[in-house]
Amino acid sequence: GQQVMQIPQYQHVQEGEDFTTYCNSSTTLSNIQWYKQRPGGHPVFLIQLVKSGEVKKQKRLTFQFGEAKKNSSLHITATQTTDVGTYFCAATKAAGNKLTFGGGTRVLVKP
Amino acid sequence: DAGITQSPRHKVTETGTPVTLRCHQTENHRYMYWYRQDPGHGLRLIHYSYGVKDTDKGEVSDGYSVSRSKTEDFLLTLESATSSQTSVYFCAISELDRVNEQYFGPGTRLTVT
Repeated sequence: GQQVMQIPQYQHVQEGEDFTTYCNSSTTLSNIQWYKQRPGGHPVFLIQLVKSGEVKKQKRLTFQFGEAKKNSSLHITATQTTDVGTYFCAATKAAGNKLTFGGGTRVLVKP
Repeated sequence: DAGITQSPRHKVTETGTPVTLRCHQTENHRYMYWYRQDPGHGLRLIHYSYGVKDTDKGEVSDGYSVSRSKTEDFLLTLESATSSQTSVYFCAISELDRVNEQYFGPGTRLTVT
């Protein structure tokens, strides 16, 4: 079945620093979504990317969809303690198909 | 947050007993989903519904059944609970034209002893 791999699994970041988490697939994706889950909470939808090479920004978060639509990245600048949580990518191979979630990147911020 | 509730929020049950989890939405969204979340596995789709009485299997459907008799309610039943079904279960909903923009409920932590 479709596999969506996320790296790294864990990310320890000093407050104020930048970091990037990656989502990779061996097959071409129709679209990709990013979700954030705070500790003890539920996943919250952040964004959807559909077009090849698409870049979207939400304040300090920058999301990118690869040109080949096989990978995506989330870059966070000037990390804050509010960024703590697990970030999941989720993808479909075909429009309207079932979502496959990556294993997530758990972000820990050192003040 | 979207109007999604799950009940119960916590449950401990014994191996071999049937268990039913309920998801209730007030958003009138067409699609509803059941996921399980386990360490190292992210979220895995169990079953989903694309309308009243319309359901389909997900990635890990063995040992689970679902029913949707009303738009607002989606039930997940573990026919005979096993320890491998100890997990956190999330319900999610989405609109017809934005199926991948899913909104999750607060989750149910199920422990099977």
